[in-house]
Amino acid sequence: GQNIDQPTEMTATEGAIVQINCTYQTSGFNGLFWYQQHAGEAPTFLSYNVLDGLEEKGRFSSFLSRSKGYSYLLLKELQMKDSASYLCAVRPRERANNLFFGTGTRLTVIP
Amino acid sequence: EAQVTQNPRYLITVTGKKLTVTCSQNMNHEYMSWYRQDPGLGLRQIYYSMNVEVTDKGDVPEGYKVSRKEKRNFPLILESPSPNQTSLYFCASSLSTYGYGYTFGSGTRLTVV
Repeated sequence: GQNIDQPTEMTATEGAIVQINCTYQTSGFNGLFWYQQHAGEAPTFLSYNVLDGLEEKGRFSSFLSRSKGYSYLLLKELQMKDSASYLCAVRPRERANNLFFGTGTRLTVIP
Repeated sequence: EAQVTQNPRYLITVTGKKLTVTCSQNMNHEYMSWYRQDPGLGLRQIYYSMNVEVTDKGDVPEGYKVSRKEKRNFPLILESPSPNQTSLYFCASSLSTYGYGYTFGSGTRLTVV
């Protein structure tokens, strides 16, 4: 089976940095995705990691450690519009056409 | 504009009345998928399709049907809806699943009474 854990909620201050963690236990591994979802809207793709290390894309970075089953999403210079849910999703090797999603972390950015 | 279009956005129906949620993409993507999203459970895959006439079950396929007669369309059919199918549904497409993120439709909020 697959198991993905992320914190349910986080709060951070505008202009600050926040790190959202994701741990996973899957029967195989072929990539980890991060999505952003504003309330009532569709998820939008943020990042993809398949090798260990840090991927940076503007204010957003994502890190992966395959040996630890661990990833994090780092958001810098937080803006009010970053208030959203952040979904971690893993693609297990043997079912490569299926993404397994965590339940998401709801981030609230306060002034 | 590249997009995935779902219809309707909102639907209230009664138990047992067959319904279809349509999904269409204009990006020539091979891979399409349906997910449902419920509070505390996250996104769960219902069915997916790797190409025309190729479909397979996801994690929660019971009570649903799909078809893929054309590359751009992937409708979700509920033959006899029940209240436990009340949920937010998303269609998604991808060029492939190897290194590409999904593009999601805007969602369909279905209520079965």
